[in-house]
Amino acid sequence: NAGVMQNPRHLVRRRGQEARLRCSPMKGHSHVYWYRQLPEEGLKFMVYLQKENIIDESGMPKERFSAEFPKEGPSILRIQQVVRGDSAAYFCASLTSQRGGNTEAFFGQGTRLTVV
Amino acid sequence: GNSVTQMEGPVTLSEEAFLTINCTYTATGYPSLFWYVQYPGEGLQLLLKATKADDKGSNKGFEATYRKETTSFHLEKGSVQVSDSAVYFCALRPSGSARQLTFGSGTQLTVLP
Repeated sequence: NAGVMQNPRHLVRRRGQEARLRCSPMKGHSHVYWYRQLPEEGLKFMVYLQKENIIDESGMPKERFSAEFPKEGPSILRIQQVVRGDSAAYFCASLTSQRGGNTEAFFGQGTRLTVV
Repeated sequence: GNSVTQMEGPVTLSEEAFLTINCTYTATGYPSLFWYVQYPGEGLQLLLKATKADDKGSNKGFEATYRKETTSFHLEKGSVQVSDSAVYFCALRPSGSARQLTFGSGTQLTVLP
């Protein structure tokens, strides 16, 4: 059972371009979370999705950022018109559909976005 | 809201020294508590967890006890190794929920030979 797969691992974009980050959850997992880690900082929650639904996007910037988790295929975090401040590591985590706070969340290796 | 306060780093220890990384939390009810470890250039890996008061999580020589009375979940290891050098994150999730983890700011540990 492959773990959470994120790609690309490294992404370089010029200011104003679009960045698309992909996350394939573990098999059987229907909950996906995106976190952002700025240099020398902890992980900040961005968005929580289930298949075809956004459950909580309270951590997402209001502009330029969007996320989806379609019925088929990976979850996508999309950043339009990137700026230097978007440079960070973006981590995806997935969880089974079981309710319960003690269920382990599995993390991908992250996508390191650099905006030049 | 929920929050996690973690001992600031960086922490530098010699091999075989005793490690404590403090973690306290604020949450309603009885959240589940976690310690994650992040090695350089990697994602987070679950190190240990505890789901109710007085539970002790343990793994790879690391331990942490869920203390409801002090709202703490301090990480300890009796004898650290160079390979333990990493960033350690304390986190919580509300009980009975698939809601997102709330993380502390992380503590960088460096173990010198």
